[in-house]
Amino acid sequence: GQQLNQSPQSMFIQEGEDVSMNCTSSSIFNTWLWYKQDPGEGPVLLIALYKAGELTSNGRLTAQFGITRKDSFLNISASIPSDVGIYFCAGQVYTDKLIFGTGTRLQVFP
Amino acid sequence: GAGVSQSPRYKVAKRGQDVALRCDPISGHVSLFWYQQALGQGPEFLTYFQNEAQLDKSGLPSDRFFAERPEGSVSTLKIQRTQQEDSAVYLCASSLDKSKHMNTEAFFGQGTRLTVV
Repeated sequence: GQQLNQSPQSMFIQEGEDVSMNCTSSSIFNTWLWYKQDPGEGPVLLIALYKAGELTSNGRLTAQFGITRKDSFLNISASIPSDVGIYFCAGQVYTDKLIFGTGTRLQVFP
Repeated sequence: GAGVSQSPRYKVAKRGQDVALRCDPISGHVSLFWYQQALGQGPEFLTYFQNEAQLDKSGLPSDRFFAERPEGSVSTLKIQRTQQEDSAVYLCASSLDKSKHMNTEAFFGQGTRLTVV
């Protein structure tokens, strides 16, 4: 099935560092979503973006909906150990079906 | 409950056995989705319901997969004659009716991990 290109595939960072990851698509979406998934759990919604160019923050997280509507990025500032997990982007069109990215695995060292 | 509930959490099936996975969506959520997540991959869409109507089943990998939501609430994903390649986590998500609400984020359950041996 279709999956979006997400990079980097994995990141190993020190606590306190900032993190940046992005997601690209060959097709246009009208909604971009970012999820975090912990082991053995379902994805949990972090940020939802509904408009091209939109920049939205949720605490230490900031995400942007690309102007071309084919990409999005997520930044995490001042990382902490509980940020560890897998981050997925997802694009959505009017059919409501979510197309997920391949995931970015984040590891934070104290 | 407040969230999407799935059962069982874990299921081990012998190859060829039929399985049924249950999803209880968030109360009042009209849309319900099933996704399949293979190990190390992102979730992949299987099927979508709006109330009891199955509007999109384009992601179901074969005719061994069948989903229903007869009363527009609880949904069951059934896999007949399971194969090893069916081993995955099956995730259910629900959201508000998109025709009535502008922003309709999908909320996921914890998933059912199916292992076919």
